[in-house]
Amino acid sequence: DAKTTQPPSMDCAEGRAANLPCNHSTISGNEYVYWYRQIHSQGPQYIIHGLKNNETNEMASLIITEDRKSSTLILPHATLRDTAVYYCIVRVAPGNAGNMLTFGGGTRLMVKP
Amino acid sequence: GAVVSQHPSRVICKSGTSVKIECRSLDFQATTMFWYRQFPKKSLMLMATSNEGSKATYEQGVEKDKFLINHASLTLSTLTVTSAHPEDSSFYICSAPSGVNEQFFGPGTRLTVL
Repeated sequence: DAKTTQPPSMDCAEGRAANLPCNHSTISGNEYVYWYRQIHSQGPQYIIHGLKNNETNEMASLIITEDRKSSTLILPHATLRDTAVYYCIVRVAPGNAGNMLTFGGGTRLMVKP
Repeated sequence: GAVVSQHPSRVICKSGTSVKIECRSLDFQATTMFWYRQFPKKSLMLMATSNEGSKATYEQGVEKDKFLINHASLTLSTLTVTSAHPEDSSFYICSAPSGVNEQFFGPGTRLTVL
């Protein structure tokens, strides 16, 4: 799986949008971008994934650049409960959910009142 | 979404004893489950892949005789930390794939070895 690079930490004001960047310059054509988050002392939670088109669900939006070498996870209205470590993971296509996930360092997002 | 449970959520044991951690998929079947370990302020590190009906696959550097994995059924995998030592103290997390897109993680088990 391709390696990803994320800033180690970010702050965001409550109610504002949180934009979390991820670089994955060595991504290959059959690899998707997945985002998970881990709230303190809990297991990781799936957020969203995409291949090349922008994606949106009830939790977040995922913006992938045209060359697919980077992406941004957007939490449109961050709340205190969004404080967590966010992991950007690149992995082979869906249909292989049985493949393990390789976690990098992630970004520690602190949402402040 | 699918639910994965772990038991116990927290365990404290004496050095030299063995500890068993259970991972269950509550509303789906999983032929494969994954075991991760997470030290404080560190990321999750894959320890092994648990396979129903066959032997587990261990990552490099993980001792298979120390971390025994048994995938007893399509909904249960167990991790036994044998002869635990203080350096085995960690947060152990399991996951299981469901459907084609997602992996679901258990809530984790915090092991403290005195």
